[in-house]
Amino acid sequence: NAGVTQTPKFRVLKTGQSMTLLCAQDMNHEYMYWYRQDPGMGLRLIHYSVGEGTTAKGEVPDGYNVSRLKKQNFLLGLESAAPSQTSVYFCASSDLTHRSARARDEQFFGPGTRLTVL
Amino acid sequence: LAKTTQPISMDSYEGQEVNITCSHNNIATNDYITWYQQFPSQGPRFIIQGYKTKVTNEVASLFIPADRKSSTLSLPRVSLSDTAVYYCLVGDTPRWDQGGKLIFGQGTELSVKP
Repeated sequence: NAGVTQTPKFRVLKTGQSMTLLCAQDMNHEYMYWYRQDPGMGLRLIHYSVGEGTTAKGEVPDGYNVSRLKKQNFLLGLESAAPSQTSVYFCASSDLTHRSARARDEQFFGPGTRLTVL
Repeated sequence: LAKTTQPISMDSYEGQEVNITCSHNNIATNDYITWYQQFPSQGPRFIIQGYKTKVTNEVASLFIPADRKSSTLSLPRVSLSDTAVYYCLVGDTPRWDQGGKLIFGQGTELSVKP
């Protein structure tokens, strides 16, 4: 199993451009999350999904949109990128009933996408 | 929302026990406490989770006092490979109608020296 994968690994955008980050998981997890990580800020939850076809806002949702059309994929979109969105983006997935999880809600993270907005 | 506070950095030597404390004064009844480890250029990786009292697994222990306003991650006999950033996460699996309530601490950068 590949676990959680993210595409692309790196990207440079100009202000105002749009892009979509793709997250895929092969563990049949119900829950998926998008975080951003900035120096000194830890990880902050942007949006999440509790199942196929559902999305909800996290702590810092402004400027981002998400979609979960298929259970295994969770897309994060930036419609008009801004320099403040320069960050490392992590996707994660979890499932309360996942047999190999070592905890009630262990999150499995992808390797991250480093995005720079000029 | 629960806010978490951790020391920014800690130094240790190989073979020592390391204790990292996270403060979470506003923890809610349904919140769990989870610790993650992160190496450079990688995503965080689960270490341990608890709700109250003490939890131990093959890599760490987690101590949670009765008031649950803090928690301490204990790493026994650290090695150089334990050099990483450790994050405390307080929250519960978010429900679709209640918003994301997963709050990560700012992370503690642990440096293990030979």
